[in-house]
Amino acid sequence: ETGVTQTPRHLVMGMTNKKSLKCEQHLGHNAMYWYKQSAKKPLELMFVYNFKEQTENNSVPSRFSPECPNSSHLFLHLHTLQPEDSALYLCASSRNREEGVVYGYTFGSGTRLTVV
Amino acid sequence: AQKVTQAQTEISVVEKEDVTLDCVYETRDTTYYLFWYKQPPSGELVFLIRRNSFDEQNEISGRYSWNFQKSTSSFNFTITASQVVDSAVYFCALSEEFFDQGGKLIFGQGTELSVKP
Repeated sequence: ETGVTQTPRHLVMGMTNKKSLKCEQHLGHNAMYWYKQSAKKPLELMFVYNFKEQTENNSVPSRFSPECPNSSHLFLHLHTLQPEDSALYLCASSRNREEGVVYGYTFGSGTRLTVV
Repeated sequence: AQKVTQAQTEISVVEKEDVTLDCVYETRDTTYYLFWYKQPPSGELVFLIRRNSFDEQNEISGRYSWNFQKSTSSFNFTITASQVVDSAVYFCALSEEFFDQGGKLIFGQGTELSVKP
């Protein structure tokens, strides 16, 4: 257990469904991140939140909608996804963004998403 | 721009062999940080090591060692006497201090290491 918990671990959804991924950490961290991991590709940073403020949206399509209600929780809302969105979605956290640069991130185990 | 290249997509070795995972990076900053993470089948990325750009001293931790060479912009990772439990995907990552790219970790595409008994 890394201290960053992601649910669900696996998700299969149709292209017309709406679902949400959840990430939770009780490490006292204030920065949280969503990464997308597709096969044979580098991890792609999607969103960054620092003290609940979104500080980065890495040109992510609007069918992905993040939400950070507090520093401990991060959601990724999904709607009308495409099959190419199938991937492992990883959540990470750090004490804050600056310390994340210096010390790295703590990662969750990811949600394996399959869009059918 | 920041970039991390792990040219080896997959490596397969037999147990007890030594194996080196290559990592080459590009950055414009003089202050930056390099990382290695291990991703076992369970999915989470596990932190292995961090290096800052001013510390070129190589490091050894048990069977793991890291060779940081600024002259060649490389940060290679060697596993000595590999074991089946070392089988995983290994990621190299880079971050820059001066937020030229927004202060974030940039990852390579990963190297999948398979250690066979």
